[in-house]
Formats: sequence, C-alpha cells, structure tokens
Amino acid sequence: DTEVTQTPKHLVMGMTNKKSLKCEQHMGHRAMYWYKQKAKKPPELMFVYSYEKLSINESVPSRFSPECPNSSLLNLHLHALQPEDSALYLCASSQDTSGSYNEQFFGPGTRLTVL
Amino acid sequence: DAKTTQPTSMDCAEGRAANLPCNHSTISGNEYVYWYRQIHSQGPQYIIHGLKNNETNEMASLIITEDRKSSTLILPHATLRDTAVYYCIVRVTWGSNSGYALNFGKGTSLLVTP
Repeated sequence: DTEVTQTPKHLVMGMTNKKSLKCEQHMGHRAMYWYKQKAKKPPELMFVYSYEKLSINESVPSRFSPECPNSSLLNLHLHALQPEDSALYLCASSQDTSGSYNEQFFGPGTRLTVL
Repeated sequence: DAKTTQPTSMDCAEGRAANLPCNHSTISGNEYVYWYRQIHSQGPQYIIHGLKNNETNEMASLIITEDRKSSTLILPHATLRDTAVYYCIVRVTWGSNSGYALNFGKGTSLLVTP
C-alpha cells in the first residue's frame, strides 16, 4: 500500500468554525508533512513531523494546529480561519527526514474554502 | 538555500522526447536534485533524484552537468498524460537536527499536444 489518504476531499467553513483535516498512511513512514498550495502556486511547507514529534513549523499562524496522534495519522486542526486561508492542503509522508533518499508520497489534498 | 530556475512553460508533441531544463547554480556538494510533477488537481508525484551521476528509472532520465549547476529531466516518449507542472527541487536542510524537506520552486508547466 503506497497510498496517502486525506479526508475530506472538499471542505467549506465559516470564519468562526472549528474543523479538522485528516491524513493517513500505512507505509510505515516515520515522517509526515503538511503543505499549503494556493491556486497556480507551488506547494509551501507548513509543518514536518518526525517520529511523531513536530520538527519544523514554518512560522504558520496559530489558527492552524497540527497533531500527530500516532505514526500513521496526521491531523490539521483549523480554527478562526480567514478567507485568504482558502487553498489546497496537501499531506505527504516519507520513510524519515534524514538520509540521501527521501521520496515523499503525497495525498490528493483537501480543497478548503473559507467563507 | 540553493535556488532553482526553470522555464515557465514548454510544449512537446506526443511521442517525442520532452527535455525539461533546470538551473541550480548555487547548489552545494552534498545537495540532491529532485524532480516531482503535479498533474492538475492531484498531489505531487516523485519522478527521480540524483546527486552527481546521471540516473534513469521507468519514468524518466536525469542528466546532471559535471559542474552540477544544471540538470535536465528527459521524458523519452511523452504522452498526453504527462501534461503537468514539473518541479525541480534542491533538497533543503532545516536546522541541525530537523532533517530534510522539499522547497518547491515555481516549476515548468509542460503541455503535451497530440
């Protein structure tokens, strides 16, 4: 199984809502990532988890709160978002974050619209 | 951080070889070059990576110049399904123990035409 799954595929939320994005992989990978991608732009790294610990936070606002409950799951909790946070949110995983070979497997993304 | 420069867009006829160039003139000696692609409305997909030597797999070939300042991704027989944005990435290290992550540039939008 070389698949990264993300739910939901689409999400529409108001600025006062609280919602969560979910990501799951069963490849035994120990590194998981969240990226944000605006329309016609490249993906931008948000967070990196390595062995279930947050290792990189790319100065992401606190209204985005990541969580890694176990090595297969990665959540992104959303609260008090702004319309400019509307984007495709991509999850990825890799064996780990070190070494010369670090292929990342990406999920299909969650298309988020903030009204 | 090493930066990459790619053409904004390219066209290729179906069945012909697609050659996608990338400039990474500030790359350091231990940094790898990765190529990913992103088909519309999908997550990025790994294609190939290399350090110094040329590499080939079932998807593509990667030619790295001897001075490592540039590389070319070759899709030997492009199909319509190869239409995508292709990203050339020099892997970036964050911090002393944070490991590696990918820093995507703007990429090349490849259009394969019938």
